[in-house]
Amino acid sequence: EIVLTQSPGTLSLSPGERATLSCRASQSVSSSYLAWYQHKPGQAPRLLIYGASSRATGIPDRFSGSGSGTDFTLTISRLEPEDFAVYYCQQYGSSPRTFGQGTKVEIK
Amino acid sequence: QVQLVQSGAEVKKPGASVKVSCKASGYTFTSYYMHWVRQAPGQGLEWMGIINPSGGSANYAQKLQGRVTMTRDTSTSTVYMELSSLRSEDTAVYYCARDPEFDYWGQGTLVTVSS
Repeated sequence: EIVLTQSPGTLSLSPGERATLSCRASQSVSSSYLAWYQHKPGQAPRLLIYGASSRATGIPDRFSGSGSGTDFTLTISRLEPEDFAVYYCQQYGSSPRTFGQGTKVEIK
Repeated sequence: QVQLVQSGAEVKKPGASVKVSCKASGYTFTSYYMHWVRQAPGQGLEWMGIINPSGGSANYAQKLQGRVTMTRDTSTSTVYMELSSLRSEDTAVYYCARDPEFDYWGQGTLVTVSS
């Protein structure tokens, strides 16, 4: 099973600042099958990025993903008030599917 | 448009079973596998398993083997997740999500296990 470790656990930032979230895999993620989700309380998770770097439909271009192999990054270029949430990475290249433990982006 | 609509909240006693449904619309039901994911209070997302709506085969997370069963009804484009021998640790919001990238999710179903 591929273990995904996200860092930091919590990121305290102000609106307008840049957020950089990390996701590290215990072994190489096949074909960069790595996705990022945004999750807000009371809502279903929302797909942001798939294939490590492709934005999902309707996702603003301030969200970008990068990386390959075992190291992946989600960057939010300028935080908007609606971006404060928990973010999860997930690998879908091998079974079982696994999620990282999440990074909470909170308002400073 | 693609929609996944789940059944309503459930309250169960320890040792009982629960069956949650997820009705798909807006796409060809048998063309996409479906996953189940849960989130316990204060915890992260946990993958539970996957079902092939076309053939009905399923693959489950090891920790749930023997307690979880995923089925489907192609006539109603609905997948089901049944969890048996419920314990307090199974209290969670349960989601269905479409394969492969989980691009669409159900709204979530809260299952509370309490005596």
